[in-house]
Amino acid sequence: EAQVTQNPRYLITVTGKKLTVTCSQNMNHEYMSWYRQDPGLGLRQIYYSMNVEVTDKGDVPEGYKVSRKEKRNFPLILESPSPNQTSLYFCASSHLGDSYYGYTFGSGTRLTVV
Amino acid sequence: TQLLEQSPQFLSIQEGENLTVYCNSSSVFSSLQWYRQEPGEGPVLLVTVVTGGEVKKLKRLTFQFGDARKDSSLHITAAQPGDTGLYLCAGAGNRDDKIIFGKGTRLHILP
Repeated sequence: EAQVTQNPRYLITVTGKKLTVTCSQNMNHEYMSWYRQDPGLGLRQIYYSMNVEVTDKGDVPEGYKVSRKEKRNFPLILESPSPNQTSLYFCASSHLGDSYYGYTFGSGTRLTVV
Repeated sequence: TQLLEQSPQFLSIQEGENLTVYCNSSSVFSSLQWYRQEPGEGPVLLVTVVTGGEVKKLKRLTFQFGDARKDSSLHITAAQPGDTGLYLCAGAGNRDDKIIFGKGTRLHILP
């Protein structure tokens, strides 16, 4: 089944403790992206990648890092999480040039930073 | 800056009623997509429209792209509780642009 898999689904952590949220897709998509979703603010793009070793900032990149060492994986790294990073996070992917037709999203990671 | 405004923000109606939600912009989009998101899950793509004036149907859902490609509507006939969710519209300026998302319409269908 074609899908984007995120792990973990839920995570509670403390301020300052480094964490990684994983994202993997099995569709051979070149384009991958991370979003956060907050009430009243909608989906906001954090980082995106157009291919292996190519990453770029989205609208809200502060406090986050990403890497794209393999085509299928696009982990999101929070080096020193803070409470304002409590949010619902989604990974999405598409073939490059096919974003026009829409993204495939993962099921989300609900992160709470205390 | 391209923006997509969705209205209404919230809608609660009885099962069996019809409804329309809207997605508007002052910018022209090359394509417009509609997603449905259920609580605790990621958005799922319902449809993409790419031609001005285009109408697409998905069972009881009818999607229309405005003639000027600046707006879209989603009409649901005889709404059912399973239609409950957050409906997001999203647009692409051209084939290589990232997608812009609206903030969504939260729909609740009462049994």
